[in-house]
Amino acid sequence: KQEVTQIPAALSVPEGENLVLNCSFTDSAIYNLQWFRQDPGKGLTSLLLIQSSQREQTSGRLNASLDKSSGRSTLYIAASQPGDSATYLCAVSISGGYQKVTFGIGTKLQVIP
Amino acid sequence: SQTIHQWPATLVQPVGSPLSLECTVEGTSNPNLYWYRQAAGRGLQLLFYSVGIGQISSEVPQNLSASRPQDRQFILSSKKLLLSDSGFYLCAWTSGRYEQYFGPGTRLTVT
Repeated sequence: KQEVTQIPAALSVPEGENLVLNCSFTDSAIYNLQWFRQDPGKGLTSLLLIQSSQREQTSGRLNASLDKSSGRSTLYIAASQPGDSATYLCAVSISGGYQKVTFGIGTKLQVIP
Repeated sequence: SQTIHQWPATLVQPVGSPLSLECTVEGTSNPNLYWYRQAAGRGLQLLFYSVGIGQISSEVPQNLSASRPQDRQFILSSKKLLLSDSGFYLCAWTSGRYEQYFGPGTRLTVT
C-alpha cells in the first residue's frame, strides 16, 4: 500500500526566504507526482506535475524534483511571499485503468511579512 | 479551458437526512471523475471514481453512493446521513496526462 509522508507538517518563514518542502513515498512504481496548493476552505490548485520519467519541473518561483529510486520529491519555493501562505500537498499516482492517487497530509506554510 | 463546479458550497444537515452533492465539468469530454473527502488533519480519502456514464467504482464501503447520469455530471448521495459523514467533499477530474483538477469543494456539517 502506497503511503505518502510530508515533512515538516508546518513551517513558518520570513518573507524573501527560499524554502524546501519534502515529500516521501513508499512505493517507487509511480506514474506521476503532483504538487498542490490549498488555501483554507478551498479546493486544491495544481502547481506542478512530474511524470515518472522526469526529474524536475519548474513554474515561476517553484521547482519540483523527483527521485523515484529513493521515493522522494521536493518542492522548492524561491523568494517566498506572504501570498505563498497555504497548505501544500503532494500526491502520487499509479495507473490501472483509472488514476489511483495517494495524498500526503500536507505542509502548512506561513510566510511572515 | 476546463472548469469544474460544485454545489452547494456549504451544507448543514441533521443526522438521518438525505444528501445530494453535485459536480459538473465544462470544457472536456469523457473525463475520469472522482469524489474525495477531506477530514481535518487527514489526507484526502478517495470515495468514488467513474470512467464513464453509469460506471461507478467505490473505494471504501460507507454510507454514501455516487452516480454519473451524464458525461460531465457526478453526484454524491446518501439516504441517511451520519455524524461521521461531516467533512469537506471535493470533486476532481483528470486530464489526458493524468493531471488532477479539483473543484472548489462542499463543506458538509452533519448535526
